Amino acid sequence: ETGVTQTPRHLVMGMTNKKSLKCEQHLGHNAMYWYKQSAKKPLELMFVYNFKEQTENNSVPSRFSPECPNSSHLFLHLHTLQPEDSALYLCASSQGGETSTDTQYFGPGTRLTVL
Amino acid sequence: AQSVTQLDSHVSVSEGTPVLLRCNYSSSYSPSLFWYVQHPNKGLQLLLKYTSAATLVKGINGFEAEFKKSETSFHLTKPSAHMSDAAEYFCVVSEKGQGGKLIFGQGTELSVKP
Repeated sequence: ETGVTQTPRHLVMGMTNKKSLKCEQHLGHNAMYWYKQSAKKPLELMFVYNFKEQTENNSVPSRFSPECPNSSHLFLHLHTLQPEDSALYLCASSQGGETSTDTQYFGPGTRLTVL
Repeated sequence: AQSVTQLDSHVSVSEGTPVLLRCNYSSSYSPSLFWYVQHPNKGLQLLLKYTSAATLVKGINGFEAEFKKSETSFHLTKPSAHMSDAAEYFCVVSEKGQGGKLIFGQGTELSVKP
């Protein structure tokens, strides 16, 4: 198990529900990331936070809303999702900074199913 | 622009035989290159990382990769496959100044037969 935890591990929700995914890192890092992993597709970067500021939004629909209250916690709020949003959502963290190419450490993911 | 191509979507080997997973990259500047492994229903685990030091990089679980600039390749190898190596493997590129942004390949699924 890595120093990045995600809850819940599995989530089933209807299209009208509101739910949140939580990520916590215990590595003292300053950057956190949300990725979407769909079947047979490369990982898609969704959001990046550096020192609690959002530095990347990769054209993600507004039904996904991230929140980073501090450097250790990252949330992804979900509202009015579509069945095609069903995927594995992965959180990662790294040391952070614009000039870094440092290693990202991943959590185990949340398997989301939208009915 | 950066990109990563994993040349095989699926590789099958017998236990005890060598493993070769191929990766080619495209990058404007000196990249950092990674290999990650993902076992079923798990997150991604770092196998190894290249950052312009030695061109032959040793990783965990007996894996290694060689950076070849002239061929723009970063192939992953292991001398002898084990059943526990069966997983999905991702080749990844990152450039400085991109805020740590990673570009992932499509993945190679490795099967290991007894």
